[in-house]
Amino acid sequence: QVQLQQWGAGLLKPSETLSLTCALYGGSFSGYDWSWIRQPPGKGLEWIGKINHSGSTNYNPSLKSRVTISVDTSRNQFSLNLNSVTAADTAVYYCARQNYFSSTSCFDYWGQGTLVTVSS
Amino acid sequence: QSVLTQPPSASGTPGQRVTISCSGSSSNIGSNTVNWYQQLPGTAPKLLIYSNNQRPSGVPDRFSGSKSGTSASLAISGLQSEDEADYYCAAGDDSLKGVVFGGGTKLTVL
Repeated sequence: QVQLQQWGAGLLKPSETLSLTCALYGGSFSGYDWSWIRQPPGKGLEWIGKINHSGSTNYNPSLKSRVTISVDTSRNQFSLNLNSVTAADTAVYYCARQNYFSSTSCFDYWGQGTLVTVSS
Repeated sequence: QSVLTQPPSASGTPGQRVTISCSGSSSNIGSNTVNWYQQLPGTAPKLLIYSNNQRPSGVPDRFSGSKSGTSASLAISGLQSEDEADYYCAAGDDSLKGVVFGGGTKLTVL
């Protein structure tokens, strides 16, 4: 049974760096992409970026200058760093597995979510 | 605002059929498949429909999806109280080289 479990600091001050880690249990890391997605309180979902098992990344252009996603295949973990946070980065952050079928893909497994609040 | 456009709310009574629309452009829905996610209050989104009209194992056949051109729809028949949730459409975007979501539709079962 595939499970994604995530953790990280939930309260940050403006200008600090957000750091979250997501661990995969019960599945293989290779053959999939691994994404971070966020949801501001009461709002919709925003894709942040993704990484594959070999470390190749792709980021949302709106966040690209502040985002780094990395992978540790030995631990089946991937991480998100978002620097210079502001109140606008307050959101629930989710990790998710991106699965591919023929020419399509979808997020078929999600982490439980981590609420990150940015406040002075 | 979100790249894909959904109505903010929808409603229906138990047993009714409701549809939720999702509108995009040639760079996303027009050239990629559409997925739908259901988010119950306080939980992570769950994959409901993938590749326009495919249901993952365990999703009731009351849920169906369709796509035409740059728009897609989610239909829920035989509405039940447990269907009350937020629904999001999503698609790959060739310009973004990533995934875009709709703003979400809050479904209320009256």
